[in-house]
Amino acid sequence: QKEVEQDPGPLSVPEGAIVSLNCTYSNSAFQYFMWYRQYSRKGPELLMYTYSSGNKEDGRFTAQVDKSSKYISLFIRDSQPSDSATYLCAMMATQGGSEKLVFGKGTKLTVNP
Amino acid sequence: DSGVTQTPKHLITATGQRVTLRCSPRSGDLSVYWYQQSLDQGLQFLIQYYNGEERAKGNILERFSAQQFPDLHSELNLSSLELGDSALYFCASSYASGSTDTQYFGPGTRLTVL
Repeated sequence: QKEVEQDPGPLSVPEGAIVSLNCTYSNSAFQYFMWYRQYSRKGPELLMYTYSSGNKEDGRFTAQVDKSSKYISLFIRDSQPSDSATYLCAMMATQGGSEKLVFGKGTKLTVNP
Repeated sequence: DSGVTQTPKHLITATGQRVTLRCSPRSGDLSVYWYQQSLDQGLQFLIQYYNGEERAKGNILERFSAQQFPDLHSELNLSSLELGDSALYFCASSYASGSTDTQYFGPGTRLTVL
């Protein structure tokens, strides 16, 4: 079982839809959870990061962490064509004094006008 | 524009060869991270340097090595190249050394091994 699983999609939605992106993980040592957005032919950019279980909101984006289920989500409200990108989840654990950062493979999202 | 620069943008080479990828971090950032992104493996962390010293190691092959110079730019050396090394290689930088510090990614170097 991979440490981080992410459905690669692709996911295609109409403009204005609510988008739900998800990742599951198996390593209970993961403490920090991040979402990155990667536009085509660009490097990833950090969207949000959370530490604890619960929700964190930033504008149209909401990150949700459920540590008991080892499940994280990113919700995008009122999706726009400019949200079309690949979204990667990432998780970090501190083990044996060193940090381990693992990325999901990414979900490709297309928002159609 | 993240402020992180990478050269070259594209690199085509043959199996068995050696290449060097270069990264200049954002002004003021002390940490540099290297990542490999391929379709089947996704984004994989390779190695991190902080202020010239190796800070963390990920899934970096022994054929690969990196260093960070006094001016904080970094180079990733890939040797004895194999077809499977074809990928996008990203460099990222951050001010501090923790993985939770916001990392700013460069545009990447696309390596094709023929």
